[in-house]
Amino acid sequence: NAGVTQTPKFRILKIGQSMTLQCAQDMNHNYMYWYRQDPGMGLKLIYYSVGAGITDKGEVPNGYNVSRSTTEDFPLRLELAAPSQTSVYFCASSYASGGTTGELFFGEGSRLTVL
Amino acid sequence: KQEVTQIPAALSVPEGENLVLNCSFTDSAIYNLQWFRQDPGKGLTSLLLIQSSQREQTSGRLNASLDKSSGRSTLYIAASQPGDSATYLCAVRHFGNEKLTFGTGTRLTIIP
Repeated sequence: NAGVTQTPKFRILKIGQSMTLQCAQDMNHNYMYWYRQDPGMGLKLIYYSVGAGITDKGEVPNGYNVSRSTTEDFPLRLELAAPSQTSVYFCASSYASGGTTGELFFGEGSRLTVL
Repeated sequence: KQEVTQIPAALSVPEGENLVLNCSFTDSAIYNLQWFRQDPGKGLTSLLLIQSSQREQTSGRLNASLDKSSGRSTLYIAASQPGDSATYLCAVRHFGNEKLTFGTGTRLTIIP
């Protein structure tokens, strides 16, 4: 089972460049999330989506954009990369929110460095 | 605003010992609480999910409990092994919105 797949695993960007982190899930999950994880700071929610065509901001959305045109895919776009966006990015998904349907599954992460 | 705390930040125990990891949260209006394991350089792996109506969940040597009224959850690991060394995180999902709040984790080291 593929689960949640993220690409690329590693990327180095120069300040001001743009890129898209890809996330795909094959579990027919409705809910998808993007988190960033900085050392000692825990996971911070960037954006999330509760279904195709629906997205909403999390705690730290500035400098990022998302789209959700299909159930399977939830790409994260970084515009005008800044050193503060150096982090590990995780995509996650769940079928719904309540009960056991709320179990969250994570991808392996994408490590981004902005120089 | 929900806050999730995990104390201690790091814990070392000899192999074979039973141990308890703690997770506390400030708002008891939750859908569920989930425990994860994270190995260095890897993603988070789901260990156990406890629904708000449940008191505990078990999987193998792991047992997680939930006391909503006191805002606490514990993860009990029996007969610890070196392979249990990892960071353990808890996360609560709130009523009324779709977001989860994560603790900052406990880094567990099992000493052979």
